[in-house]
Amino acid sequence: GAVVSQHPSRVICKSGTSVKIECRSLDFQATTMFWYRQFPKKSLMLMATSNEGSKATYEQGVEKDKFLINHASLTLSTLTVTSAHPEDSSFYICSALSLAASTYEQYFGPGTRLTVT
Amino acid sequence: DAKTTQPTSMDCAEGRAANLPCNHSTISGNEYVYWYRQIHSQGPQYIIHGLKNNETNEMASLIITEDRKSSTLILPHATLRDTAVYYCIVSYGRGGSTLGRLYFGRGTQLTVWP
Repeated sequence: GAVVSQHPSRVICKSGTSVKIECRSLDFQATTMFWYRQFPKKSLMLMATSNEGSKATYEQGVEKDKFLINHASLTLSTLTVTSAHPEDSSFYICSALSLAASTYEQYFGPGTRLTVT
Repeated sequence: DAKTTQPTSMDCAEGRAANLPCNHSTISGNEYVYWYRQIHSQGPQYIIHGLKNNETNEMASLIITEDRKSSTLILPHATLRDTAVYYCIVSYGRGGSTLGRLYFGRGTQLTVWP
């Protein structure tokens, strides 16, 4: 099956620093990837849609200057949390849509747990 | 915003069928019904999707009512490893203006007990 990886799986950073999270589709090409965040005991919240070669589309209420998204190739999207603060601590999950026309399901990465101290 | 309602939690005995209901009374004609599940602290896993007809794969069956306002996910022989939060989501899939975006609701916590 299609595999999506994320790196790192866990990261702890100090307040005010920036953190980059990578999302890779390992065995398929994805023109579209998505980024979600999930707080403890809560559901996933869609943050943005990442399109290869173009600007990301952010959901209402998500600060685009805070959460920088780059989708430089058909297999890699990155999310950078800039000037991180403790309230940014969360579980960040990416997903990818396969380029194959017959595929309708999204494949999710294992998630990255960010802790800002 | 999520367009589905699901029970908060359900229990099922191991080896029995688990039937998870979902209401999506405002579903549009071109929207699919998707089911994903999330085991604690992992990324969601795709289970099945359907448009109008009932669907079956190696993981589960999806029964969609004729008016498409509700559906049921069936795990025919639940195991302990099926304990997870199950999300029912309606989406246009690859097409439409939302380009496959998924808006998760609260889901149903399914607990399978020995």
